Amino acid sequence: EIVLTQSPGTLSLFPGERATLSCRTSQSVTSFHLAWYQQKVGQAPRLLVYGASNRATGIPDRFSGSGSGTDFTLTISRLEPEDCAVYYCLLFGPSSWTFGRGTKVEIK
Amino acid sequence: QVQLVQSGAEVRRPGASVRVSCKASGYTFSTSSMHWVRQAPGQGLEWLGWINAGNGNTQYSQNFQGRLTITRDTSATTVYLDLSSLTSADTAVYFCARDRTVAVPFSPNYFHYIDVWGTGTTVTVSS
Repeated sequence: EIVLTQSPGTLSLFPGERATLSCRTSQSVTSFHLAWYQQKVGQAPRLLVYGASNRATGIPDRFSGSGSGTDFTLTISRLEPEDCAVYYCLLFGPSSWTFGRGTKVEIK
Repeated sequence: QVQLVQSGAEVRRPGASVRVSCKASGYTFSTSSMHWVRQAPGQGLEWLGWINAGNGNTQYSQNFQGRLTITRDTSATTVYLDLSSLTSADTAVYFCARDRTVAVPFSPNYFHYIDVWGTGTTVTVSS
């Protein structure tokens, strides 16, 4: 089973700053099968990006995804207070689906 | 719009079983697969398994083989999760979530992702 490692565990930034979240896979994967989600406290996750770099419908353009192979990145270009959440990557792998453990984004 | 409405909270004793339902609306039920994902208190997301709503084929996480069953009722546009031999480690919020498989333009490949999530069902296992 492919392992997804997200870093950092927690990111604490000021509004307007840039947030860079990493998702590394234990072996090379197709970018078509990598997605990012935002989960706020007490809510279900929300799809942000699919296929590593395609923003989902209705997602602000300050969210962007990139990467290939084993290294994938979610960037929030200018943090807003409402971006306070945990962010997960998800992979459709050869034998199962796997989530990363998440990165918590805190707004100072 | 696409909606996934789940059944209400459940409390079970250790060793018991639980069934959680997920009623889908707003799209053609049989054309999408459905996942089940859970989240223990204060923890991350864990994928449990999925079902092809068209033909009923299932795949489960190895962590739940033999204890988890996912079924669907196409006439009721509802997917069910049955989990047996419950322990306190099964205390969690359980989500159903719709699968999306979309052709990549100008390519033989497909995007695979989860797009819409259910309302969540809290299952508490306690003696």
